[in-house]
Amino acid sequence: GDSVTQMEGPVTLSEEAFLTINCTYTATGYPSLFWYVQYPGEGLQLLLKATKADDKGSNKGFEATYRKETTSFHLEKGSVQVSDSAVYFCALSLHPLMNSGYSTLTFGKGTMLLVSP
Amino acid sequence: DTGVSQDPRHKITKRGQNVTFRCDPISEHNRLYWYRQTLGQGPEFLTYFQNEAQLEKSRLLSDRFSAERPKGSFSTLEIQRTEQGDSAMYLCASSLAPGGTYNEQFFGPGTRLTVL
Repeated sequence: GDSVTQMEGPVTLSEEAFLTINCTYTATGYPSLFWYVQYPGEGLQLLLKATKADDKGSNKGFEATYRKETTSFHLEKGSVQVSDSAVYFCALSLHPLMNSGYSTLTFGKGTMLLVSP
Repeated sequence: DTGVSQDPRHKITKRGQNVTFRCDPISEHNRLYWYRQTLGQGPEFLTYFQNEAQLEKSRLLSDRFSAERPKGSFSTLEIQRTEQGDSAMYLCASSLAPGGTYNEQFFGPGTRLTVL
């Protein structure tokens, strides 16, 4: 079945450090890929997405590139801030036409990021 | 637009009791999803509605779980005869979609269930 594997956390960084959170996937066909972020006490928020191979999603300084050859969608940010501390989830979604007409999300286990001043 | 809301935010119950959670999606959204998130795991899909029709329910965890969306607006998720293993965060999401396309799912803050 479809699945997403993320690096385990917590990832602990100092402010302004470079961030990479690895994500790989297994899926039938060509899924859309997403990063969601969950701040403490809040719901999941879509951070960025990519819908086809070689697409780069970006938002708030975060980037991720859809790599079909390595089935990966690693999240990167050049300079993290304390306010980036949260749990980050990688997820995939099959095209609705390949999934009985609807698209649901398959998530990884999440990676906690802790940024210290 | 106030986003997706869920009520209650926290629920503590004793084993064997029934619980019901409510989700109010973004008003114009026609699709509504329920997920469960246990500690240290990502959300797990449970069920899906398009308008008032429940189009996918095979992923509900057992026959103790049921969901409704009677008028195509808010939805309820009921767990009967709760067990300690039901303790989790229950998330609701909604999206606006014409057929055949992916649309962003907007998540609510979740209802945290603790079964004693």
